[in-house]
Amino acid sequence: AQTVTQSQPEMSVQEAETVTLSCTYDTSESNYYLFWYKQPPSRQMILVIRQEAYKQQNATENRFSVNFQKAAKSFSLKISDSQLGDTAMYFCAFMSTGNQFYFGTGTSLTVIP
Amino acid sequence: EADIYQTPRYLVIGTGKKITLECSQTMGHDKMYWYQQDPGMELHLIHYSYGVNSTEKGDLSSESTVSRIRTEHFPLTLESARPSHTSQYLCASSEIGQFNEKLFFGSGTQLSVL
Repeated sequence: AQTVTQSQPEMSVQEAETVTLSCTYDTSESNYYLFWYKQPPSRQMILVIRQEAYKQQNATENRFSVNFQKAAKSFSLKISDSQLGDTAMYFCAFMSTGNQFYFGTGTSLTVIP
Repeated sequence: EADIYQTPRYLVIGTGKKITLECSQTMGHDKMYWYQQDPGMELHLIHYSYGVNSTEKGDLSSESTVSRIRTEHFPLTLESARPSHTSQYLCASSEIGQFNEKLFFGSGTQLSVL
């Protein structure tokens, strides 16, 4: 069975600083996809960044980048130059070849002015 | 504008009532999902569909039912609501067989059963 673990229920960061959110997962599959989703307060959950497991290069999207360690089954999210609008719940997710998504419990990130 | 819509946004009802949570998407996606989300917990898949007339139960046991008569519409029904059904319900959709597969989420329905 696939599991996704986010060990940081809450985090905070000063505006303009960098923060890293942790995520580990467990799977026996060799090909899969990993995602970070952002859920702002009372708003829609949206995709932040996506990583294919067969790609060694870490995905980047503007201020968001990941550190994907396949052997360690680790998939952390780094947010650079944090902005107030980054305040949200962040969910790590895993998609298997069966097209099922599995989510972690989320990390609540607060950006402090 | 292509999007996924959920109504109502908030719902407070009494025990024993029948309710239907609506979900519609305008992206033409074949796959649709219902997730249950509680504070501090992971999203739990309760139902999914691969297309019209296709419905499956997810990992989390649920007393709800779903239907998929039209591609764009995936309503969830509770025949007799109970306080244990109090939760946030998220609808999502995605394309089948696309290399760039990802989930698109609705804004959610926060259900409170008294």
